[in-house]
Amino acid sequence: DIQMTQSPPSLSASLGDKVTITCQASQNINKYIAWYQQKPGKAPRLLIRYTSTLESGTPSRFSGSGSGRDYSFSISNVESEDIASYYCLQYVNLPRTFGGGTKLELK
Amino acid sequence: QVQLKESGPGLVQPSQTLSLTCTVSGFSLTSYHVSWVRQPPGKGLEWMGVIWTGGSTAYNSLLKSRLSISRDISKSQVFLKMNSLQTEDTATYYCAREMPVAPVMDAWGQGASVTVSS
Repeated sequence: DIQMTQSPPSLSASLGDKVTITCQASQNINKYIAWYQQKPGKAPRLLIRYTSTLESGTPSRFSGSGSGRDYSFSISNVESEDIASYYCLQYVNLPRTFGGGTKLELK
Repeated sequence: QVQLKESGPGLVQPSQTLSLTCTVSGFSLTSYHVSWVRQPPGKGLEWMGVIWTGGSTAYNSLLKSRLSISRDISKSQVFLKMNSLQTEDTATYYCAREMPVAPVMDAWGQGASVTVSS
């Protein structure tokens, strides 16, 4: 199974900050990584697929990059509505595996 | 409008079988795969298994011996059955649509909360 190591587990930011979350896969995942946002009591929402392709409706302040085993997800100019947990997902192989999650809080 | 909705019992006794239904609309089960994902309270996401457009299935090896996923195309429903439930199976269970190619989970149900307790 491919392990996805996501860091940091939690992040404290001020409004307007830029934050970055990383995911490292245990093997090359050929850019087949997606990023999800999850708010309390809600289902995950797909923000980015295939490393850097923004879903319709995803604000442009969200971005993704990476290749091989190493990937990152950034939010520039954090807004209050971005306060949530974020998860990476590899979908190159079965089983699909998620990172452990990052909880973004306001400083 | 793409929708998925999970339904099933909120409480299951230990050692019993969990049965959940995912009813979909706005797309066909022959055009999109459907996965099940669960999330224990306060914890992360775990992929459980998938039913492909052709009807075959694949499961997380950690759950394979207890898990079964099936579907009824005519009713646009996907079913999850998992036996020998234990307290650690307490979680919110989600069904999610997967793209047929480069299968990312792009639409999710609201989730069904399941508590395993006597």
